[in-house]
Amino acid sequence: NAGVTQTPKFQVLKTGQSMTLQCAQDMNHNSMYWYRQDPGMGLRLIYYSASEGTTDKGEVPNGYNVSRLNKREFSLRLESAAPSQTSVYFCASSDGQALNQPQHFGDGTRLSIL
Amino acid sequence: SQQGEEDPQALSIQEGENATMNCSYKTSINNLQWYRQNSGRGLVHLILIRSNEREKHSGRLRVTLDTSKKSSSLLITASRAADTASYFCATGGSTLGRLYFGRGTQLTVWP
Repeated sequence: NAGVTQTPKFQVLKTGQSMTLQCAQDMNHNSMYWYRQDPGMGLRLIYYSASEGTTDKGEVPNGYNVSRLNKREFSLRLESAAPSQTSVYFCASSDGQALNQPQHFGDGTRLSIL
Repeated sequence: SQQGEEDPQALSIQEGENATMNCSYKTSINNLQWYRQNSGRGLVHLILIRSNEREKHSGRLRVTLDTSKKSSSLLITASRAADTASYFCATGGSTLGRLYFGRGTQLTVWP
């Protein structure tokens, strides 16, 4: 049982390049989330998907797009990478059908933009 | 901001001692959760306490919640070197699934 799987684990990009971060969960969860984690800033929500077919902006959505491909997969795309997007990106999932649900996290993608 | 704020930012103790971390928040909540993050890994859920609960235990963990003071504490008893990690509180409100994370407490337990 893998839980939440993120690919790639590490990536270096040049400013202006694009890339897609992949996330898949095998827990049949309805809700999925993308966060970024920067030193001293904690986790900030970029986008989330409460259920298959829906997506909503979080606290820091600018410069990102997401796709909820199916119930299992939720991808995050950087169309034109900027140095300010250097961060560790975490995907998470939860049951989402009730309040008081824990979130399950992947191990992150470490992204550096030069 | 709906974020929780942990205190202290860093805590260093010896094995066998107790570790206490605090979390304060500003808005009304439905639940408060604590997570652990080991270096280079994702967050792992530790414990959830609902707004109508005052105290909860799980193994060596004890969590309290005071909604009148908008604060929570996480106590780890008899700490071990393996407890070395960052600990985050997260508050859940009325939006299904959404959590607001604090900036974390870095706990170091020395053998």
